Amino acid sequence: GAGVSQSPRYKVAKRGQDVALRCDPISGHVSLFWYQQALGQGPEFLTYFQNEAQLDKSGLPSDRFFAERPEGSVSTLKIQRTQQEDSAVYLCASSLESGGTPRSYEQYFGPGTRLTVT
Amino acid sequence: TQLLEQSPQFLSIQEGENLTVYCNSSSVFSSLQWYRQEPGEGPVLLVTVVTGGEVKKLKRLTFQFGDARKDSSLHITAAQPGDTGLYLCAGGGKLIFGQGTELSVKP
Repeated sequence: GAGVSQSPRYKVAKRGQDVALRCDPISGHVSLFWYQQALGQGPEFLTYFQNEAQLDKSGLPSDRFFAERPEGSVSTLKIQRTQQEDSAVYLCASSLESGGTPRSYEQYFGPGTRLTVT
Repeated sequence: TQLLEQSPQFLSIQEGENLTVYCNSSSVFSSLQWYRQEPGEGPVLLVTVVTGGEVKKLKRLTFQFGDARKDSSLHITAAQPGDTGLYLCAGGGKLIFGQGTELSVKP
């Protein structure tokens, strides 16, 4: 079966431009997560959806970051007026999250979008 | 705030050697996961440990969850160049990741 896919894989933006990053989760997965990963570091949580509801956006670094999942499947992370410090890999993950067992919370990651702001 | 500390941060070894990576926290986790990430790819789930004291084996990889569910370790026996990558431990619902261990296995 298809895994999590993300597009584009690479994005170069000039400072001040808006960007939109897309995530297609595994079909049937209820939960969707966005993470930001700096070079050589572990991913850091940005935001979390359960179906179409954004339940936690505590990790979004500023109000320039916005995420949506309007129909409970595909999600888009939008960054407005990009800054150089936004350069990172943006990872999307999905999990089944049903059944209440620890394994149902396991997250499966896409390949990421590498954003470079020049 | 829950934090996960991994050590060592970097590890460079010869093919055939054994190694252990540690993941420690002052907080209790209901489960911990280990991921492996290669350059240009997302993390790939290796294992989930749930029960304190649990030991899981995946071929040459052995994962252990501490009795108090605050720490975990990953032991690789007879490392191979194909084991090269970034190893990450993670826990919690909105995963909290350690900073990772960059493993390089030289032939």
